Amino acid sequence: KAGVTQTPRYLIKTRGQQVTLSCSPISGHRSVSWYQQTPGQGLQFLFEYFSETQRNKGNFPGRFSGRQFSNSRSEMNVSTLELGDSALYLCASSLGLQDNSPLHFGNGTRLTVT
Amino acid sequence: GIQVEQSPPDLILQEGANSTLRCNFSDSVNNLQWFHQNPWGQLINLFYIPSGTKQNGRLSATTVATERYSLLYISSSQTTDSGVYFCAALDRGSTLGRLYFGRGTQLTVWP
Repeated sequence: KAGVTQTPRYLIKTRGQQVTLSCSPISGHRSVSWYQQTPGQGLQFLFEYFSETQRNKGNFPGRFSGRQFSNSRSEMNVSTLELGDSALYLCASSLGLQDNSPLHFGNGTRLTVT
Repeated sequence: GIQVEQSPPDLILQEGANSTLRCNFSDSVNNLQWFHQNPWGQLINLFYIPSGTKQNGRLSATTVATERYSLLYISSSQTTDSGVYFCAALDRGSTLGRLYFGRGTQLTVWP
């Protein structure tokens, strides 16, 4: 069974630009979550999607948005990039139906904003 | 949300040594997981362990839910064990994908 796939692996963008990251969950998983990891703040939750609906959202500005498609694939978008958005963005998937469902993470997308 | 604290923040060992990593959490949890982050950034799920004890090879984990802590044991350390170990918990009021992570333990194993 293929794992969680994130594309692209690396991105370099300029301040003010926007970026879209993609995540394909494990087959059969309906929940997709996004996390931002930085040296200063650690791992922080961005949002979670389940069956195309956002069911939880972290404390990030509106420049961060996401969506989920009918095949459970998810995208996140960051508009008007700032230097502080440089981070490793991790996507995780799970069955999403029970509390005892572990999260499985992808390799991440490393975003650098210059 | 739930607070997750890990100790120690850094651990340096010689190959073959044993170690114990600790995770304290501030409230009751439904879901407690341990992850290893490799040098390429991927978080690898080691254990799903909201309570009890599990073992997988040289690694084992114990969670005492009533006392709100979990321990990860690494025996006979190898250089490939190096990396950051994270504990993450799901509090009872949150949805499944919203884990709260500790700051991690940076483990370095020297040959």
